[in-house]
Amino acid sequence: ILNVEQSPQSLHVQEGDSTNFTCSFPSSNFYALHWYRWETAKSPEALFVMTLNGDEKKKGRISATLNTKEGYSYLYIKGSQPEDSATYLCASNTGNQFYFGTGTSLTVIP
Amino acid sequence: EAQVTQNPRYLITVTGKKLTVTCSQNMNHEYMSWYRQDPGLGLRQIYYSMNVEVTDKGDVPEGYKVSRKEKRNFPLILESPSPNQTSLYFCASSLLPQGPQHFGDGTRLSIL
Repeated sequence: ILNVEQSPQSLHVQEGDSTNFTCSFPSSNFYALHWYRWETAKSPEALFVMTLNGDEKKKGRISATLNTKEGYSYLYIKGSQPEDSATYLCASNTGNQFYFGTGTSLTVIP
Repeated sequence: EAQVTQNPRYLITVTGKKLTVTCSQNMNHEYMSWYRQDPGLGLRQIYYSMNVEVTDKGDVPEGYKVSRKEKRNFPLILESPSPNQTSLYFCASSLLPQGPQHFGDGTRLSIL
């Protein structure tokens, strides 16, 4: 079992604020790092998949970075909007298996 | 529309009564997987399948069975359900094992 940890557990920000969360994972047996966005009453949706050390991905106001040597990834949201409110999950993929963190719950206050 | 379809969405049943949760994807994905979500815990992988007739245990396979006789279907079978299997279950698929996963809408099971 791989231990994937996310912090903070929850976060409240004002509309317009920028924010970031952390995902840490074991560097051994690493193949890919996934980020998912999970809105209440819906199913998780893929945001990014990163495999190489130093990878950076961006989708609109959301971006992510990956450090495989030290075993962490950051997710950044620039200028948070109420529709960004969701739980953000990261998962470490070892090639065949997935290990998810418990998520960061983001609430953006209008 | 590309989708992963799970059925049923909700089920309340009793201990020991065999049940099957179906999962079907229309994207010709090779990799399929089952997860359970419990409060305070991350999604935990139950079983996964790399392709037809190829399945393997995830982190929490006890009490579950799966089969992959066709590429599109990956049913989850609880032969003798117990209350500790009460959970929210998700099926997911991806083109490749490492690729972004597409999740179904979830199945909420309550075992009394």
